[in-house]
Amino acid sequence: QVQLQESGPGLVKPSETLSLTCSVSGGSINSSSYYWGWIRQPPGKGLEWIGSIYYNGRTYHNPSLKSRVAFFVDKSKNQISLNLRSVTATDTAVFYCARANHDILTGSEAFDIWGQGTLVIVSS
Amino acid sequence: DIQMTQSPSTLSASLGDRVTITCRASQSISSWLAWYQHKPGKAPKLLIYRASTLESGVPSRFSGSGSGTEFTLTISSLQPDDFATYYCQHFSSYPWTFGQGTKVEIK
Repeated sequence: QVQLQESGPGLVKPSETLSLTCSVSGGSINSSSYYWGWIRQPPGKGLEWIGSIYYNGRTYHNPSLKSRVAFFVDKSKNQISLNLRSVTATDTAVFYCARANHDILTGSEAFDIWGQGTLVIVSS
Repeated sequence: DIQMTQSPSTLSASLGDRVTITCRASQSISSWLAWYQHKPGKAPKLLIYRASTLESGVPSRFSGSGSGTEFTLTISSLQPDDFATYYCQHFSSYPWTFGQGTKVEIK
Protein backbone atom coordinates (compact mmCIF):
# COMPACT_ATOMS: atom_id res chain seq x y z
CA GLN A 1 0.00 0.00 0.00
CA VAL A 2 1.55 3.25 -1.15
CA GLN A 3 1.84 5.95 1.49
CA LEU A 4 3.11 9.51 1.26
CA GLN A 5 4.52 11.55 4.14
CA GLU A 6 5.45 15.22 4.00
CA SER A 7 8.18 16.63 6.20
CA GLY A 8 9.90 19.94 6.72
CA PRO A 9 10.14 22.93 9.02
CA GLY A 10 6.88 24.18 10.40
CA LEU A 11 8.11 27.76 10.55
CA VAL A 12 9.91 29.75 7.87
CA LYS A 13 10.96 33.39 8.00
CA PRO A 14 9.77 35.84 5.35
CA SER A 15 12.04 36.10 2.29
CA GLU A 16 13.59 32.70 3.00
CA THR A 17 13.14 29.43 1.09
CA LEU A 18 10.54 26.89 2.16
CA SER A 19 11.80 23.33 1.61
CA LEU A 20 9.60 20.27 1.96
CA THR A 21 10.16 16.59 1.30
CA CYS A 22 7.62 13.90 0.47
CA SER A 23 8.71 10.37 1.32
CA VAL A 24 7.01 7.61 -0.63
CA SER A 25 6.69 4.14 0.88
CA GLY A 26 5.12 0.97 -0.47
CA GLY A 27 5.97 1.83 -4.06
CA SER A 28 8.65 3.35 -6.25
CA ILE A 29 8.63 6.91 -7.57
CA ASN A 30 10.78 5.61 -10.45
CA SER A 31 7.75 4.72 -12.52
CA SER A 32 6.34 6.08 -15.75
CA SER A 33 2.84 5.41 -14.39
CA TYR A 34 2.66 8.37 -12.03
CA TYR A 35 3.13 12.07 -11.63
CA TRP A 36 3.86 13.39 -8.15
CA GLY A 37 2.26 16.62 -7.16
CA TRP A 38 2.27 19.35 -4.54
CA ILE A 39 -0.93 21.03 -3.43
CA ARG A 40 -1.44 23.63 -0.72
CA GLN A 41 -4.32 25.02 1.30
CA PRO A 42 -3.95 28.42 2.99
CA PRO A 43 -5.91 28.80 6.23
CA GLY A 44 -9.60 29.21 5.50
CA LYS A 45 -9.12 28.86 1.75
CA GLY A 46 -9.38 26.19 -0.90
CA LEU A 47 -6.92 23.81 -2.49
CA GLU A 48 -4.30 25.17 -4.89
CA TRP A 49 -2.24 22.99 -7.24
CA ILE A 50 1.40 24.05 -6.98
CA GLY A 51 2.85 21.73 -9.59
CA SER A 52 3.82 18.20 -10.50
CA ILE A 53 6.97 16.25 -11.30
CA TYR A 54 7.52 13.09 -13.29
CA TYR A 55 10.04 10.37 -12.40
CA ASN A 56 12.39 11.64 -15.12
CA GLY A 57 12.41 15.14 -13.67
CA ARG A 58 9.92 16.72 -16.05
CA THR A 59 7.94 19.35 -14.19
CA TYR A 60 4.83 21.46 -14.57
CA HIS A 61 4.16 24.50 -12.43
CA ASN A 62 1.25 26.71 -11.49
CA PRO A 63 1.97 29.94 -13.41
CA SER A 64 1.17 31.96 -10.30
CA LEU A 65 4.16 30.41 -8.52
CA LYS A 66 6.42 29.35 -11.37
CA SER A 67 9.16 31.89 -10.80
CA ARG A 68 9.57 30.87 -7.14
CA VAL A 69 9.06 27.12 -7.11
CA ALA A 70 11.30 24.17 -7.92
CA PHE A 71 10.73 20.43 -7.68
CA PHE A 72 13.20 17.58 -7.35
CA VAL A 73 13.14 13.80 -7.53
CA ASP A 74 15.55 11.70 -5.44
CA LYS A 75 15.18 8.16 -6.69
CA SER A 76 17.77 6.79 -4.25
CA LYS A 77 15.67 7.97 -1.31
CA ASN A 78 12.28 7.51 -3.02
CA GLN A 79 11.45 11.12 -2.27
CA ILE A 80 10.26 14.23 -4.04
CA SER A 81 11.02 17.72 -2.82
CA LEU A 82 9.62 21.21 -3.12
CA ASN A 83 11.49 24.51 -2.76
CA LEU A 84 9.49 27.75 -2.61
CA ARG A 85 11.68 30.83 -2.64
CA SER A 86 11.12 34.31 -1.22
CA VAL A 87 8.16 33.32 0.92
CA THR A 88 5.74 35.80 2.48
CA ALA A 89 2.94 35.42 4.99
CA THR A 90 0.57 34.59 2.12
CA ASP A 91 2.49 31.36 1.59
CA THR A 92 1.37 30.09 4.99
CA ALA A 93 -0.55 26.90 4.26
CA VAL A 94 -0.93 23.19 4.73
CA PHE A 95 1.16 21.56 2.03
CA TYR A 96 0.21 18.16 0.60
CA CYS A 97 2.05 15.83 -1.70
CA ALA A 98 -0.03 13.47 -3.81
CA ARG A 99 0.21 10.85 -6.54
CA ALA A 100 -1.53 11.15 -9.88
CA ASN A 101 -1.80 8.24 -12.27
CA HIS A 102 -0.36 8.87 -15.71
CA ASP A 103 -0.92 7.18 -19.04
CA ILE A 104 1.49 8.12 -21.79
CA LEU A 105 -1.33 8.26 -24.34
CA THR A 106 -4.18 9.79 -22.35
CA GLY A 107 -2.57 11.72 -19.49
CA SER A 108 -3.51 11.91 -15.82
CA GLU A 109 -6.94 11.52 -14.24
CA ALA A 110 -6.75 12.33 -10.54
CA PHE A 111 -4.66 12.50 -7.39
CA ASP A 112 -5.55 9.14 -5.88
CA ILE A 113 -3.16 9.01 -2.93
CA TRP A 114 -2.37 11.94 -0.65
CA GLY A 115 -0.09 12.58 2.27
CA GLN A 116 -1.56 13.87 5.52
CA GLY A 117 -0.19 17.33 4.91
CA THR A 118 2.18 19.56 6.81
CA LEU A 119 1.49 23.06 8.08
CA VAL A 120 4.06 25.68 7.23
CA ILE A 121 3.79 29.10 8.82
CA VAL A 122 5.70 32.03 7.39
CA SER A 123 6.50 34.45 10.17
CA SER A 124 9.43 36.29 11.66
CA ASP B 1 -5.59 28.66 -18.01
CA ILE B 2 -8.88 26.85 -17.44
CA GLN B 3 -10.92 28.22 -14.54
CA MET B 4 -13.17 25.94 -12.48
CA THR B 5 -16.24 27.40 -10.77
CA GLN B 6 -18.25 25.44 -8.22
CA SER B 7 -21.73 26.21 -6.98
CA PRO B 8 -22.98 26.64 -4.43
CA SER B 9 -20.13 27.69 -2.14
CA THR B 10 -22.05 26.42 0.88
CA LEU B 11 -24.91 23.99 1.02
CA SER B 12 -27.09 23.23 4.06
CA ALA B 13 -28.76 19.85 3.97
CA SER B 14 -30.31 17.23 6.23
CA LEU B 15 -29.53 13.57 6.64
CA GLY B 16 -31.09 11.60 3.82
CA ASP B 17 -31.25 14.56 1.44
CA ARG B 18 -30.20 14.29 -2.19
CA VAL B 19 -27.37 16.77 -2.74
CA THR B 20 -26.04 18.10 -6.03
CA ILE B 21 -22.89 20.19 -6.49
CA THR B 22 -22.05 21.78 -9.83
CA CYS B 23 -18.63 22.45 -11.32
CA ARG B 24 -18.22 24.51 -14.48
CA ALA B 25 -15.09 24.80 -16.59
CA SER B 26 -14.21 27.97 -18.48
CA GLN B 27 -13.62 25.84 -21.58
CA SER B 28 -14.18 22.25 -22.56
CA ILE B 29 -12.25 19.69 -20.53
CA SER B 30 -13.95 16.64 -22.07
CA SER B 31 -14.26 14.25 -19.10
CA TRP B 32 -10.98 15.12 -17.40
CA LEU B 33 -12.54 15.94 -14.05
CA ALA B 34 -12.06 14.58 -10.56
CA TRP B 35 -14.02 15.15 -7.35
CA TYR B 36 -12.56 15.07 -3.85
CA GLN B 37 -13.97 15.11 -0.32
CA HIS B 38 -11.97 17.06 2.23
CA LYS B 39 -12.41 17.13 5.99
CA PRO B 40 -10.50 19.43 8.38
CA GLY B 41 -7.14 18.03 9.42
CA LYS B 42 -7.29 15.16 6.94
CA ALA B 43 -6.00 14.46 3.47
CA PRO B 44 -8.41 15.03 0.59
CA LYS B 45 -10.05 11.82 -0.58
CA LEU B 46 -10.63 10.98 -4.22
CA LEU B 47 -14.29 10.19 -4.94
CA ILE B 48 -14.75 10.34 -8.70
CA TYR B 49 -12.38 10.49 -11.69
CA ARG B 50 -12.97 10.84 -15.43
CA ALA B 51 -16.12 12.76 -14.44
CA SER B 52 -18.16 9.69 -13.61
CA THR B 53 -15.96 6.78 -12.53
CA LEU B 54 -16.30 5.92 -8.86
CA GLU B 55 -12.99 5.38 -7.07
CA SER B 56 -12.64 1.97 -5.50
CA GLY B 57 -14.07 1.82 -1.99
CA VAL B 58 -16.20 4.96 -2.33
CA PRO B 59 -19.86 4.42 -1.39
CA SER B 60 -22.27 4.12 -4.30
CA ARG B 61 -24.38 7.02 -3.01
CA PHE B 62 -21.75 9.23 -4.66
CA SER B 63 -22.03 9.71 -8.41
CA GLY B 64 -20.63 12.09 -10.99
CA SER B 65 -21.85 13.16 -14.39
CA GLY B 66 -21.18 15.65 -17.14
CA SER B 67 -18.71 16.39 -19.89
CA GLY B 68 -17.38 19.39 -21.71
CA THR B 69 -17.89 22.34 -19.39
CA GLU B 70 -20.58 21.32 -16.90
CA PHE B 71 -20.31 18.62 -14.28
CA THR B 72 -22.21 17.50 -11.21
CA LEU B 73 -21.45 15.52 -8.09
CA THR B 74 -24.52 13.95 -6.51
CA ILE B 75 -24.90 12.36 -3.11
CA SER B 76 -28.10 10.35 -3.30
CA SER B 77 -28.81 10.19 0.43
CA LEU B 78 -26.67 12.34 2.70
CA GLN B 79 -25.03 10.46 5.55
CA PRO B 80 -23.33 11.82 8.71
CA ASP B 81 -19.88 11.07 7.29
CA ASP B 82 -20.60 13.21 4.21
CA PHE B 83 -20.47 16.60 5.89
CA ALA B 84 -17.28 18.00 4.41
CA THR B 85 -15.96 20.29 1.69
CA TYR B 86 -15.99 19.00 -1.88
CA TYR B 87 -13.63 20.09 -4.64
CA CYS B 88 -13.53 19.49 -8.36
CA GLN B 89 -10.24 19.51 -10.28
CA HIS B 90 -9.59 19.28 -14.00
CA PHE B 91 -6.77 17.34 -15.68
CA SER B 92 -7.34 18.52 -19.22
CA SER B 93 -4.24 20.69 -19.45
CA TYR B 94 -1.77 22.43 -17.18
CA PRO B 95 -2.35 24.01 -14.70
CA TRP B 96 -4.57 21.39 -13.04
CA THR B 97 -6.92 23.87 -11.42
CA PHE B 98 -9.25 23.17 -8.50
CA GLY B 99 -12.68 24.64 -8.01
CA GLN B 100 -13.06 26.89 -4.97
CA GLY B 101 -14.88 24.22 -2.99
CA THR B 102 -18.41 23.54 -1.75
CA LYS B 103 -18.95 23.12 1.97
CA VAL B 104 -21.80 20.76 2.86
CA GLU B 105 -23.19 21.69 6.27
CA ILE B 106 -25.83 20.23 8.55
CA LYS B 107 -29.18 21.99 8.22
